[in-house]
Amino acid sequence: DTEVTQTPKHLVMGMTNKKSLKCEQHMGHRAMYWYKQKAKKPPELMFVYSYEKLSINESVPSRFSPECPNSSLLNLHLHALQPEDSALYLCASSQGSDSGRPFFGQGTRLTVV
Amino acid sequence: EDQVTQSPEALRLQEGESSSLNCSYTVSGLRGLFWYRQDPGKGPEFLFTLYSAGEEKEKERLKATLTKKESFLHITAPKPEDSATYLCAVQARAGGTSYGKLTFGQGTILTVHP
Repeated sequence: DTEVTQTPKHLVMGMTNKKSLKCEQHMGHRAMYWYKQKAKKPPELMFVYSYEKLSINESVPSRFSPECPNSSLLNLHLHALQPEDSALYLCASSQGSDSGRPFFGQGTRLTVV
Repeated sequence: EDQVTQSPEALRLQEGESSSLNCSYTVSGLRGLFWYRQDPGKGPEFLFTLYSAGEEKEKERLKATLTKKESFLHITAPKPEDSATYLCAVQARAGGTSYGKLTFGQGTILTVHP
């Protein structure tokens, strides 16, 4: 199994809603990542988890809250988002923070209305 | 700060017309340079990892090369199904402030016409 699975594939939410994005991998990877990608732009790193601990937070607003319940799962909790937060949210994993190449999931297309 | 610049921004080729994409980078100690292919609305699909200057990797019609300042992705006799955005990214060695972070270039949008 060399896949990173993200759910849901599409999500539409209002600015007062609370929702969560989920990411799962079963490759035994110990580093997991959240990236945000706007249209026609490259992915931008949001968070890095290494051995289930948050190791990098790229100054992301607190309305995005990551969680790593175990080594296979990564969640991104969303609350009080703005329309400009609409984007493709990508999860990735790698053997370690500085080893192995990152595998990306297919992303969640988020629209904030 | 790590930086990656890709050129050209967009490239239109006829089927069978070979060409190259460029990725120039500055990084505080390169751990690896990655090439990905991305189709619209999908996640990046891994193509190659290069670790040191002089290294080359090949896969079907694609060949990636690396120097100390840049990487090239050569596309030989491309087909319409090669149309996609090609992303280059660098990762710095452990110990710096960008530990674990992939820094992406803006990408090259490749269109191959039949």
